[in-house]
Amino acid sequence: GAVVSQHPSWVICKSGTSVKIECRSLDFQATTMFWYRQFPKQSLMLMATSNEGSKATYEQGVEKDKFLINHASLTLSTLTVTSAHPEDSSFYICSAKSGVGGKQYFGPGTRLTVT
Amino acid sequence: DAKTTQPPSMDCAEGRAANLPCNHSTISGNEYVYWYRQIHSQGPQYIIHGLKNNETNEMASLIITEDRKSSTLILPHATLRDTAVYYCIVRANAGGTSYGKLTFGQGTILTVHP
Repeated sequence: GAVVSQHPSWVICKSGTSVKIECRSLDFQATTMFWYRQFPKQSLMLMATSNEGSKATYEQGVEKDKFLINHASLTLSTLTVTSAHPEDSSFYICSAKSGVGGKQYFGPGTRLTVT
Repeated sequence: DAKTTQPPSMDCAEGRAANLPCNHSTISGNEYVYWYRQIHSQGPQYIIHGLKNNETNEMASLIITEDRKSSTLILPHATLRDTAVYYCIVRANAGGTSYGKLTFGQGTILTVHP
């Protein structure tokens, strides 16, 4: 199957700083990428959908100014958590798909801890 | 997207078949049934999907009832590495503006024991 990578796999940052997470599709062109967040013992919650070259579409309740998403190419999307707070500590997972109706492939996730 | 109902947990003995049920009684005609699983602290892994016919691949089989209101994921010979949370998701047709979002429910925690 297709491979999606994330970097970093884990990160610790101080409260008030910003952190960037990268999501790459390694062997296919991802027309659409998705960003999810997962708190301990909970299911994945979709944060936003991004299409290459377009602005991201955020789910209700997700602050677009806090979670900046850039999908500048068909193989790379980035999520920047700005002015991070301890409550932003979570497991962030991206997924990517190609074309209409394509299967979604998930990255391994990034564990963010804000101290 | 239609909602799904899955049992919160199931057990299975190693080497036996694991049959995971899913109810999706409000599924629309153009919605597919997708199954993903998530092993602890990893990203979800695609397993299989189908529209109305039964499907089989190297990982599992998917049996969809004729009225499409429920389905069963079958792992024919479960191993300890199959212990994971299994998600049944129905996904809207990706045409138009929906972009085929996957909405995850709580899933079924499958524990395979020796």
